[in-house]
Amino acid sequence: EVQLVESGGGLIQPGGSLRLSCAASGFTVSTYYMSWVRQAPGKGLEWVSVLYSGGTIHYADSVRGRFIISRDSSKNTLYLQMNSLRAEDTAVFYCARAYRDGHNAFDYWGQGTLVTVSS
Amino acid sequence: EIVMTQSPATLSVSPGERATLSCRASQSVNSDLAWYWQKPGQAPRLLMYGASTRATGIPARFSGSGSGTEFTLTISSLQSEDFAVYYCQQYNIWPLTFGGGTKVEIK
Repeated sequence: EVQLVESGGGLIQPGGSLRLSCAASGFTVSTYYMSWVRQAPGKGLEWVSVLYSGGTIHYADSVRGRFIISRDSSKNTLYLQMNSLRAEDTAVFYCARAYRDGHNAFDYWGQGTLVTVSS
Repeated sequence: EIVMTQSPATLSVSPGERATLSCRASQSVNSDLAWYWQKPGQAPRLLMYGASTRATGIPARFSGSGSGTEFTLTISSLQSEDFAVYYCQQYNIWPLTFGGGTKVEIK
């Protein structure tokens, strides 16, 4: 059974850093396109970043230069290193799997982890 | 960036009735369009991809159509579990973008 479990969220001050983890089971993270998607409280969905199976990376303009996506194949885990956090980064962060390489419709999502940026 | 516009923002429907949700892209996304539904406190769930292909386990009362810039999600006979927020998403061009959502509520 495919499962994605995020962790690492919490309350952080503006300008701080946080690393989110997404532990996968039931499939191999390194063989799929994996993304982070976020949702601010009461708002819609915003795609954040993708890591291709082949290693290519894309970021949304809103996080480029501040966030870094990566994976650890030995742990079958996806990460999102978030630096220089701002109040507007407050959101539930989901990791999600693309159903097929090059076709970034997300067939599996984690339960999400809440990041709150506030002083 | 491709802007995805969903309408209406809220749709009030009685159980058993048909619901039609629209999604428009600011430029062509071919058929690289997905639909999701999300219930309060839950992660989104994939309903449709390729504009018209139902995801695994999605009942046949859900159907999708369209290509290019105009897309429709139809629920033929609303069940109680279908009341949720629905999002469309294009995956043709980076960055991936979502519509603002349509809330389907009980009339």
